Amino acid sequence: AQKVTQAQTEISVVEKEDVTLDCVYETRDTTYYLFWYKQPPSGELVFLIRRNSFDEQNEISGRYSWNFQKSTSSFNFTITASQVVDSAVYFCALIHNQAGTALIFGKGTTLSVSS
Amino acid sequence: DTAVSQTPKYLVTQMGNDKSIKCEQNLGHDTMYWYKQDSKKFLKIMFSYNNKELIINETVPNRFSPKSPDKAHLNLHINSLELGDSAVYFCASSLSLGPGELFFGEGSRLTVL
Repeated sequence: AQKVTQAQTEISVVEKEDVTLDCVYETRDTTYYLFWYKQPPSGELVFLIRRNSFDEQNEISGRYSWNFQKSTSSFNFTITASQVVDSAVYFCALIHNQAGTALIFGKGTTLSVSS
Repeated sequence: DTAVSQTPKYLVTQMGNDKSIKCEQNLGHDTMYWYKQDSKKFLKIMFSYNNKELIINETVPNRFSPKSPDKAHLNLHINSLELGDSAVYFCASSLSLGPGELFFGEGSRLTVL
């Protein structure tokens, strides 16, 4: 069975604070892919990153960084120097490397950044 | 041009009615999906199609019937609407079956009164 857990339902920070969104996944497969999507208040779903299970290198993109650790089955997302525009719901998701499967999403973490 | 477009964006209807949501993608992708997002923001796969062929049908009531006339279109028809069907329905597409990035439409908010 595959499952994605985002234990933090809501996080509130003040602008310029760093914030980490946790994601823990469960899977029996050795080949899988992990994703993060952002859903701003306008409602659309925006792709942020995809990482395969064989690539444990951390990734940085501007103020965003991701820490993938297979030993703890975690794929955490950090926003550095948060801004009000970062306020959104963030979803972590998992898919196996098999045809006929679909992205399984975590329940999302609502991030509120105040000025 | 919007990559994945859904119509209508908002739909308000009475219990018992039948309604459809249309989805079109102009990305040349082979695979399309319907996801349901409930009031708690939980996103759950409903269906996927690959080249007009049904691939995933996730324990969805048979009042929901997807139809894919061609690989660029995946429509969702819902019969005998119930209060619990109120949600945001997202259409998405990916290049092919497998672990590719999903491109989502803007969502269709269905409210059943």
